[in-house]
Amino acid sequence: EIVLTQSPGTLSLSPGERATLSCRASQSVSSSLVWYQQKPGQAPRVLIYGASNRATGIPDRFSGSGSGTDFTLTISRLEPEDFAVYYCQQHGSSVPLTFGGGTKVEIK
Amino acid sequence: EVQLVESGGGLVQPGGSLRLSCAASGFTFSDHYMEWVRQAPGKGLEWVGRTKNKANSYTTEYAASVKGRFTISRDDSKNSLYLHMNSLKTEDTAVYYCASHGGPAAAGKVFDYWGQGTLVTVSS
Repeated sequence: EIVLTQSPGTLSLSPGERATLSCRASQSVSSSLVWYQQKPGQAPRVLIYGASNRATGIPDRFSGSGSGTDFTLTISRLEPEDFAVYYCQQHGSSVPLTFGGGTKVEIK
Repeated sequence: EVQLVESGGGLVQPGGSLRLSCAASGFTFSDHYMEWVRQAPGKGLEWVGRTKNKANSYTTEYAASVKGRFTISRDDSKNSLYLHMNSLKTEDTAVYYCASHGGPAAAGKVFDYWGQGTLVTVSS
């Protein structure tokens, strides 16, 4: 099973600041990496797929990069609605699909 | 508009059974892989398992933590997905989401569509 480790666990930032979230895989997943955003009481929403492709309707302040074992989600300028929990998920192996433990982006 | 609506959650004793349902609309259900993902209270996401589509022989796959206790099935004539849960443990307490992909290239890879979730509480 591929383990995904997200860091930091919590990121305390102010609106307008840049957020950099990390996801590290225990073995290579190539570019088979997805980022989700989840707000309290809601289901997750896809932000990025294929490590760097924005999903439909996702603002361009969200960007993803990386391949192999190290991935980054960057939010260039935080908007009030961006404060949420972010998860990475890999589908590089067949099964099981696995998720990272999440990074909470909170208002400083 | 794509909709996934889960139902069937509730309180069940350890060792008990429960069946969750997911009603789908707004897309061609029979073409899609369908997944179950759960989230324990205050915790992260955990993939539970999936059923592939008819073209892939309705193959099912499970996480190790539920294999042998949970069974996923589907009824394409009713656009419905099911999760049959047996021998429930306290650690199965979670919100259970059904989910699916958007385009065919994302089958089994990216979860574009999610339901609102249904809470299962396993407690005596």
